[in-house]
Amino acid sequence: NAGVTQTPKFQVLKTGQSMTLQCAQDMNHNSMYWYRQDPGMGLRLIYYSASEGTTDKGEVPNGYNVSRLNKREFSLRLESAAPSQTSVYFCASSEGRVPPNEKLFFGSGTQLSVL
Amino acid sequence: LAKTTQPISMDSYEGQEVNITCSHNNIATNDYITWYQQFPSQGPRFIIQGYKTKVTNEVASLFIPADRKSSTLSLPRVSLSDTAVYYCLVGENSGYSTLTFGKGTMLLVSP
Repeated sequence: NAGVTQTPKFQVLKTGQSMTLQCAQDMNHNSMYWYRQDPGMGLRLIYYSASEGTTDKGEVPNGYNVSRLNKREFSLRLESAAPSQTSVYFCASSEGRVPPNEKLFFGSGTQLSVL
Repeated sequence: LAKTTQPISMDSYEGQEVNITCSHNNIATNDYITWYQQFPSQGPRFIIQGYKTKVTNEVASLFIPADRKSSTLSLPRVSLSDTAVYYCLVGENSGYSTLTFGKGTMLLVSP
């Protein structure tokens, strides 16, 4: 029972490089989310996808793009990485019934460093 | 935007009961109150959710007064493994964009 799987677990980038964080869930959930977590800041929502085929901005979307590839997969792309994007990134999913009273299931995170 | 306020940190000893209170003065009529637990290097994990009065599961209890402007997560007889950050989440009935966790409460359980 994998739940939410994120890859990679660790990544180091140089400023200006691009990369895509991958996320997949096997719970047949409709909704998926990307969060970032910085020390002392809690978790902040970057983008979410309420259902397959839709994506919307969260609290901190600048510098990121997302793709809901299918119902299972939701990727986060950094087109030109900046040191301010150094963070731990978490993907989450939920059934997608009545937000925000949903139970969220999280992946184990991707630790990203931008030098 | 519904804002929650929790203590930054709490200390306890093994075997004690721990109560963490969250204030949410702007909670909307249809909103539930949800608590998550996060260990270092892991994603948050759902603990408990409630709407009013008291909810209990195998892990914790959640107490919500009639005015719903606050809630208290109660952890009975904590152990060292309960050392974690606890988040109170209250959303507005206005969409996904309000799914923010705040800074949470760092609970340290000592022997």
